[in-house]
Amino acid sequence: AQTVTQSQPEMSVQEAETVTLSCTYDTSESDYYLFWYKQPPSRQMILVIRQEAYKQQNATENRFSVNFQKAAKSFSLKISDSQLGDAAMYFCAYRSAGTGGGADGLTFGKGTHLIIQP
Amino acid sequence: DVKVTQSSRYLVKRTGEKVFLECVQDMDHENMFWYRQDPGLGLRLIYFSYDVKMKEKGDIPEGYSVSREKKERFSLILESASTNQTSMYLCASSLNSGPSYEQYFGPGTRLTVT
Repeated sequence: AQTVTQSQPEMSVQEAETVTLSCTYDTSESDYYLFWYKQPPSRQMILVIRQEAYKQQNATENRFSVNFQKAAKSFSLKISDSQLGDAAMYFCAYRSAGTGGGADGLTFGKGTHLIIQP
Repeated sequence: DVKVTQSSRYLVKRTGEKVFLECVQDMDHENMFWYRQDPGLGLRLIYFSYDVKMKEKGDIPEGYSVSREKKERFSLILESASTNQTSMYLCASSLNSGPSYEQYFGPGTRLTVT
């Protein structure tokens, strides 16, 4: 079974600065997908960024980028120019690419609570 | 715009009651999922469904059952609610194709069992 570990229960960053959230995972599979989801207080979980394991290039979405190290099984999220609206719980998640045509659940880490200091 | 809705944001039930949590998606997604979210534990998969009337157990199915009679609706059933089922329940849906099968989440139902 796959596991996802987020070692930082809480992180704090000054507004406009850069912060990196850590995620490691354990799998014996070679093909899979990795995700970062954001859950703002009392609001819906939304996808921040995704990475296909077969792609060497790190994914980027505006101020959000990942550092995907397949050999090290590491998938960190970097948020540049942090904004107050970035305050949320961030979850790293893993999904196997091998079966089910998408009908497999995600394996989540325990989450990192990101605080933005004004 | 993808929309996943859940019947209640907050629910309070008594121990031993039968509880139904409803989830509806409007994007014709084949796959639907129920997760449970607890502080310090993240989200854990309870059940999922890849088609009408089809269901698969997730990581923590004990004490739960599901029903999918229509493609857009996926229900989570607690046959006899217990206090250890007090939690936030999140529903999600996804296509059977597309970029990494992104899952779209509902707003969640916070269930308290007393």
